[in-house]
Amino acid sequence: EAGVTQSPTHLIKTRGQQATLRCSPISGHTSVYWYQQALGLGLQFLLWYDEGEERNRGNFPPRFSGRQFPNYSSELNVNALELEDSALYLCASSPRSDTQYFGPGTRLTVL
Amino acid sequence: AQSVTQLDSQVPVFEEAPVELRCNYSSSVSVYLFWYVQYPNQGLQLLLKYLSGSTLVKGINGFEAEFNKSQTSFHLRKPSVHISDTAEYFCAVSEGPASYGKLTFGQGTILTVHP
Repeated sequence: EAGVTQSPTHLIKTRGQQATLRCSPISGHTSVYWYQQALGLGLQFLLWYDEGEERNRGNFPPRFSGRQFPNYSSELNVNALELEDSALYLCASSPRSDTQYFGPGTRLTVL
Repeated sequence: AQSVTQLDSQVPVFEEAPVELRCNYSSSVSVYLFWYVQYPNQGLQLLLKYLSGSTLVKGINGFEAEFNKSQTSFHLRKPSVHISDTAEYFCAVSEGPASYGKLTFGQGTILTVHP
């Protein structure tokens, strides 16, 4: 069974640009979660999508947004990039709200 | 609100020695508990989980953990470590549906296994 996949693996942007990160969940999973792992800040919950709807978001500004498509894949968009947005962004999926399975992450570097 | 404390930021150990990584949590409701491992430049891999039932949980790669409700702990153990166990380990807690999808993680413990 294929795991959670994320693309791209690495993304380099400059301040003020927009970044789009993509995630494909495990087949049969309807929930997708996004987390940010920044140096010194640990793993922080960003967003939860289920059945195409945003169900919860963490303590992040509105320039962090996303969506979930009918096939349950998801996009995370980060607008007006700032240097401190540099981090590993992890996507996870679950069949419902208990065990989350993580992908390999996208490393975003903002210059 | 839920929170997780991993009591050791770094644990050095020699190969074939036993290891315990400590995790304490706080929550006002019943919880689900997880341990994940992260190898360098990779995502998180689920080691084991406690949702309900037996308080001793066995996971992959010879790891196990014991849920102790009275001490609000979920310590991870392995009787004999290998060099390949060198990684960062994260304890996480969820309050089930009350978490609204959010896993709360500890700050991580870097396990370094020396030959």
